[in-house]
Amino acid sequence: SQTIHQWPATLVQPVGSPLSLECTVEGTSNPNLYWYRQAAGRGLQLLFYSVGIGQISSEVPQNLSASRPQDRQFILSSKKLLLSDSGFYLCAWKGDDQPQHFGDGTRLSIL
Amino acid sequence: AQSVTQLDSHVSVSEGTPVLLRCNYSSSYSPSLFWYVQHPNKGLQLLLKYTSAATLVKGINGFEAEFKKSETSFHLTKPSAHMSDAAEYFCVVNTNTGRRALTFGSGTRLQVQP
Repeated sequence: SQTIHQWPATLVQPVGSPLSLECTVEGTSNPNLYWYRQAAGRGLQLLFYSVGIGQISSEVPQNLSASRPQDRQFILSSKKLLLSDSGFYLCAWKGDDQPQHFGDGTRLSIL
Repeated sequence: AQSVTQLDSHVSVSEGTPVLLRCNYSSSYSPSLFWYVQHPNKGLQLLLKYTSAATLVKGINGFEAEFKKSETSFHLTKPSAHMSDAAEYFCVVNTNTGRRALTFGSGTRLQVQP
């Protein structure tokens, strides 16, 4: 069966520090991968999606970037975090004709 | 274009009473529709999905939803609420199998009173 892992579960970072959140999927090949952000009391905002290694599409301009160095690995990064980057970050994967399946998320707090 | 409207941001029910979470969608094409549940500080878990087969869809944990094309609705129901049902629920629409075509509703927070 397929599983998705995100880490860390929680992260507290100072403003201006770098960020790296990792997401890996097991039990499937060539999945579509997604990064979402969920701000407090709001719905999900799609940040990035990827249909293959090295292929990244950005949905909104922002202080973040994403990379897909391997088929089942998706990384969310920032060189300098802003206060507005706080939120709950969710990774998801999708196979053909399937709904998206989500990881457990990372709670990011910027101080 | 597609959109999803969850008509209630908060719903409160008593344990053992029915649950109704309302969702309306708009779509230019035949949609796929989903309900996800999110418990605090957790990811989203798929409850059920509609993909143009039976209009009444049964999901996990006793939830079900009915696709009504004439009303462009996909309301989520459960006959008897349990305390563990307290969570946030998202209605989601996908009008093609495109990789980024999901649109999420703003969510409904379900509170279950003892």
